[in-house]
Amino acid sequence: EVQLVESGGVLVQPGRSMKLSCAASGFTFSTFPMAWVRQAPTKGLEWVATISTSGGSTYYRDSVKGRFTISRDNAKRTLYLQMDSLRSEDTATYYCTTGGPGYNPNWFAYWGQGTLVTVSS
Amino acid sequence: DIQMTQSPSSLPASLGDRVTITCRASQDIGNYLRWFQQKPGKSPRLMIYGATNLAAGVPSRFSGSRSGSDYSLTINSLESEDMAIYYCLQHNEYPWTFGGGTKLELK
Repeated sequence: EVQLVESGGVLVQPGRSMKLSCAASGFTFSTFPMAWVRQAPTKGLEWVATISTSGGSTYYRDSVKGRFTISRDNAKRTLYLQMDSLRSEDTATYYCTTGGPGYNPNWFAYWGQGTLVTVSS
Repeated sequence: DIQMTQSPSSLPASLGDRVTITCRASQDIGNYLRWFQQKPGKSPRLMIYGATNLAAGVPSRFSGSRSGSDYSLTINSLESEDMAIYYCLQHNEYPWTFGGGTKLELK
């Protein structure tokens, strides 16, 4: 059974840093591009970042570029999101998902349960 | 950025109805369009990939279609378990963008 389990979401002050983790199991993690998607309270879904299978290519939405870093450790089957200089508008539930370009039916088929990040003083 | 204009934002419907939700892409995205269902407090669920392909385990009353830059999700014979918010996603070009969502609710 495929499982994605996020962790690391907490209450943090503006300007501080936080690192999210997503532990994967039940599939060959190293062969799947991965992505982070977030959802602010009562709002819609918003793509945040994507990383290639090797980690050699990363992509970000403009509002997080230079502040967030997506990475992965294929040996540990874990996806990360390092979030620096956090702002109130980063408050959201963060989901990890299998996601890449192309028509692969597995892309976005698997999602974690989400972890809530609250940025507030 | 590619804008995905989703309509309607709210869709009251009755059980057994046939309903259609549409996303219009502001630029060409080919068939790199996916549909998701999200219920309160839950993670999104993939329903359609490649604009027209049913994801694994999705009931056959769901279908996806494309007409030019308009992409549609149709649900035939609505059931109570289908009440949820539906989102489209284009992943043809970065930044990937979601539609604003359609809340499907009982009339």
